[in-house]
Amino acid sequence: NAGVMQNPRHLVRRRGQEARLRCSPMKGHSHVYWYRQLPEEGLKFMVYLQKENIIDESGMPKERFSAEFPKEGPSILRIQQVVRGDSAAYFCASSYRGSENEQFFGPGTRLTVL
Amino acid sequence: GIQVEQSPPDLILQEGANSTLRCNFSDSVNNLQWFHQNPWGQLINLFYIPSGTKQNGRLSATTVATERYSLLYISSSQTTDSGVYFCLGGGADGLTFGKGTHLIIQP
Repeated sequence: NAGVMQNPRHLVRRRGQEARLRCSPMKGHSHVYWYRQLPEEGLKFMVYLQKENIIDESGMPKERFSAEFPKEGPSILRIQQVVRGDSAAYFCASSYRGSENEQFFGPGTRLTVL
Repeated sequence: GIQVEQSPPDLILQEGANSTLRCNFSDSVNNLQWFHQNPWGQLINLFYIPSGTKQNGRLSATTVATERYSLLYISSSQTTDSGVYFCLGGGADGLTFGKGTHLIIQP
């Protein structure tokens, strides 16, 4: 019974490139959440998705960032034209039902922008 | 959105000591979780506890929803308990992590 899976675990990009982070929720979970953890800081909510729908994107930067959770396949967090300030750990979580339910976290993707 | 405050921000203890970590939240929550982020960065679920009391080995947690706080108790600390402890609070109106308590257990 696999937990939440994220890949890649480590990603290095040069400024201006695109970063694609993937998250496969736990089996049976249809709700996915993305969080960002800057170095030496806590985790900040970015976006909450249900299959094919964005429920809450109040924590997403207005530009360059987008997220999707298609009917088939993993959830994708996409960062276009990365800048050094995007360097962080990006965590994905999933829950069986909505945000009032227990969330389980993946191992994170550590993005480094050179 | 909801505000979540954790205290203390840092805590250094000797092995074998007990500790209490606190999480205050600014509004009612439907979801309250405690996590341990180990030195490798992994987030380990400790408790899902929007109300009541739970225990798991040396760890226990209590949430008093009407007074908007939750407590995490660690008894007989071990060096492997070191790391950062986060609480996550919220519900349908959004989710917020506290800034964490950085715990160091010295041998």
